[in-house]
Amino acid sequence: KAGVTQTPRYLIKTRGQQVTLSCSPISGHRSVSWYQQTPGQGLQFLFEYFSETQRNKGNFPGRFSGRQFSNSRSEMNVSTLELGDSALYLCASSLRTATDTQYFGPGTRLTVL
Amino acid sequence: AQTVTQSQPEMSVQEAETVTLSCTYDTSESDYYLFWYKQPPSRQMILVIRQEAYKQQNATENRFSVNFQKAAKSFSLKISDSQLGDAAMYFCANTRGGTASKLTFGTGTRLQVTL
Repeated sequence: KAGVTQTPRYLIKTRGQQVTLSCSPISGHRSVSWYQQTPGQGLQFLFEYFSETQRNKGNFPGRFSGRQFSNSRSEMNVSTLELGDSALYLCASSLRTATDTQYFGPGTRLTVL
Repeated sequence: AQTVTQSQPEMSVQEAETVTLSCTYDTSESDYYLFWYKQPPSRQMILVIRQEAYKQQNATENRFSVNFQKAAKSFSLKISDSQLGDAAMYFCANTRGGTASKLTFGTGTRLQVTL
């Protein structure tokens, strides 16, 4: 069974631009969660989608948004990029909820210049 | 709100020895779950071990076991017979149960394994 895939793996943007990251979960998994990982703030929960609906949301500004498609694939978008958005963005999928084992993708390394 | 504290930024262990990583947490939930995740250098994060709070028995997965002290809100990870491949960042995490679940992570412990 294929694991969680994320594209692109690396991304360089400039301040003010927007970016879209993609995540393909493990087949059969309906829950997709996004996390931001930085040296200063550690791992922080962004949001979770289940059956195309945002079910949980972390404490991030509205510039961070996401969506999930009918095949469970998910995208997250960050608008008006700031230097502080530079981070590793991790996607994780699970069968139903975060109480199940979460399977993480390799992440997208976003650098904002 | 859930919080997770890992007080050991770095730990070192010799190959074949045993090491214990500490984790404390705080939660007001009665239904919650605890996890240890491992993030090897430049590799994907994987689940090491999972513990349901309602279970008194400590979880075990091969060389990995936990010491779950519910009253003390402590959840330490013991790695026995350490191997070079155990070198990684280890994150303790918890979540409430149900559909409102989301992982709250600690700051991590970097484990070095020496020969």
